[in-house]
Amino acid sequence: AQSVSQHNHHVILSEAASLELGCNYSYGGTVNLFWYVQYPGQHLQLLLKYFSGDPLVKGIKGFEAEFIKSKFSFNLRKPSVQWSDTAEYFCAVNAPGSRQLTFGSGTQLTVLP
Amino acid sequence: GAGVSQSPSNKVTEKGKDVELRCDPISGHTALYWYRQRLGQGLEFLIYFQGNSAPDKSGLPSDRFSAERTGESVSTLTIQRTQQEDSAVYLCASSLNHDSNQPQHFGDGTRLSIL
Repeated sequence: AQSVSQHNHHVILSEAASLELGCNYSYGGTVNLFWYVQYPGQHLQLLLKYFSGDPLVKGIKGFEAEFIKSKFSFNLRKPSVQWSDTAEYFCAVNAPGSRQLTFGSGTQLTVLP
Repeated sequence: GAGVSQSPSNKVTEKGKDVELRCDPISGHTALYWYRQRLGQGLEFLIYFQGNSAPDKSGLPSDRFSAERTGESVSTLTIQRTQQEDSAVYLCASSLNHDSNQPQHFGDGTRLSIL
């Protein structure tokens, strides 16, 4: 069975700081990887996704994530956060052909103005 | 455009009652998913519908949980004889088709509280 670990439950940063949120998964085969974001009072939205090809993927709002197969990781990064990035971030994985997503427990990011 | 719509947004009910949650997927999306999110936890997959195929019920936690979908439209998730551990946010998502690389679009969820 797949599992996803997000070790940082709550991250607090000041504006302009750099961000890296960890995501590790356990699955032996090929996977599709996703980061979703939930802003306060809003629904989950897709931030970026990786299926194949270039392991460095770029998403919306300046976010990027790097797939490192040898480390089973898909960490989310942003060079300079803004107050508006305050949200909860979820990493998710599925295997090609599997419909259900397996989610991590989420990381709450608070950016101080 | 219209996103995934869920109702009610909040539901408070007494233990032992039955509840019905509704999901309207994005028009044209053939795949529909239900997830549950307990406080402080990630989303747990419950059930998946794809067109007229038999649903994937592998995530339903007990036989008190059931879901239906008529064609490629509205879905209802029913919880019978609710228990306090059923308290959670129930999220519905839809995607264009069943391909695993199709992103899922989520609704705002129904926050269910069992007293």
